Parts: sequence; structure tokens; C-alpha cells
Amino acid sequence: SQQGEEDPQALSIQEGENATMNCSYKTSINNLQWYRQNSGRGLVHLILIRSNEREKHSGRLRVTLDTSKKSSSLLITASRAADTASYFCATDARNYGQNFVFGPGTRLSVLP
Amino acid sequence: DAGVIQSPRHEVTEMGQEVTLRCKPISGHNSLFWYRQTMMRGLELLIYFNNNVPIDDSGMPEDRFSAKMPNASFSTLKIQPSEPRDSAVYFCASHFGTVNTGELFFGEGSRLTVL
Repeated sequence: SQQGEEDPQALSIQEGENATMNCSYKTSINNLQWYRQNSGRGLVHLILIRSNEREKHSGRLRVTLDTSKKSSSLLITASRAADTASYFCATDARNYGQNFVFGPGTRLSVLP
Repeated sequence: DAGVIQSPRHEVTEMGQEVTLRCKPISGHNSLFWYRQTMMRGLELLIYFNNNVPIDDSGMPEDRFSAKMPNASFSTLKIQPSEPRDSAVYFCASHFGTVNTGELFFGEGSRLTVL
């Protein structure tokens, strides 16, 4: 399947530390996106990286994409308790059109 | 804009009852997606529409599930009859643009419990 797979499944860190989450996928993509979901809420878009890009920054977020390895990573620097959430990567299936497919997510806990 | 609006936020029903979930996408968006989220399966894409036309419904689990988008500002997901295994949070998301652009905007979800 096209589904992205994040790892680790769960991550617990102290406030101020960096958090790194990884995403792997199986087929060619046009772009890859990262989303955040706070408990009991809908998903919120964080960042999109296109297949011809290797790295992208947005505030404390840094995303990398390695299309040869079919993988991406999301780095959150200087984490805060408010960053506690689940993080998902989503890929579009280049050969199948516009269906965004999400991985199972990484649950991040940032301890104060 | 108020964002993607879903209703109801919570629904508790008994097995065999019909359930209708509603979604109002962001004005001007041309695609609408229905997802189901459970602990066991994560986020599953059920169906998506482009310009009100269903494009891919391969994720719809059974004939008990149906979705419609009669116009650009409204969509429904119906389950008839409902079963306990349908208990999940159902999300609607809308999108503007082509495959290579844009993000999905999610509603807050409808939490369905089937007893």
C-alpha cells in the first residue's frame, strides 16, 4: 500500500530537548506533508515538502525528504509542553491522484 | 472563514440505527475527504470528492456506508444499519488546488459510538 509509516510510535522527551520523528512510504509521491493532532481535535497541517525539495524549515520545525530512501523526518527543536500531540505524515499517491494517505502517527509527550 | 464544520460532534446510537454525519467544507475548496480514525486502524480514507463528484470510494468498508455531496458546501456520510464496529471518530477535510499544492483542512470530527 501507499501508506506512510511513522516511527517511533511513541516518544517522550523533556522540555527543551529536540524531537525527531521519521516517516517511510512505499511508492512515488508528489509531496509529503506533516500534520499534528491534539487529543480530541482534528488534524492541523504543519508543513509540506515537495518531491524535488530536500529540506524545509518553518519556525522550530525542520523537515527533510529523501526520495531515494522513500523517507522523511520531522525535527522539532527546543520542544515545549504544548508540542505534546500526535504527529502524522501524509503522502499523495502519484499514480492514483489526490488521495492523501496517512501513517499511524507518532505520539509525542513533552514533559515539563 | 469558520473552517470545516462537522456535525454532530458526538453521537451515541444503538446497533441497527441509521447514522448521518454532516460536513460543511471551507468555501471555495474543491475537494472533500471523509476519514475514519480508530486506535486499531489509525486514519483511513473512506471516500473523496472533487468538484462534488466522488473520485475514489474504495475505502468505504461496506455497502452500509454511503456518502453524498449534493453541492459544493455540503456532504453527508451515512451508515445504515450501524454496527458496534463502526464506532470511531469520523473526520471531514477539505482541500483547494491540485495534487501538488495545498493542505488538508480538517474538521473537529464526529465521535460515533454504536452500542
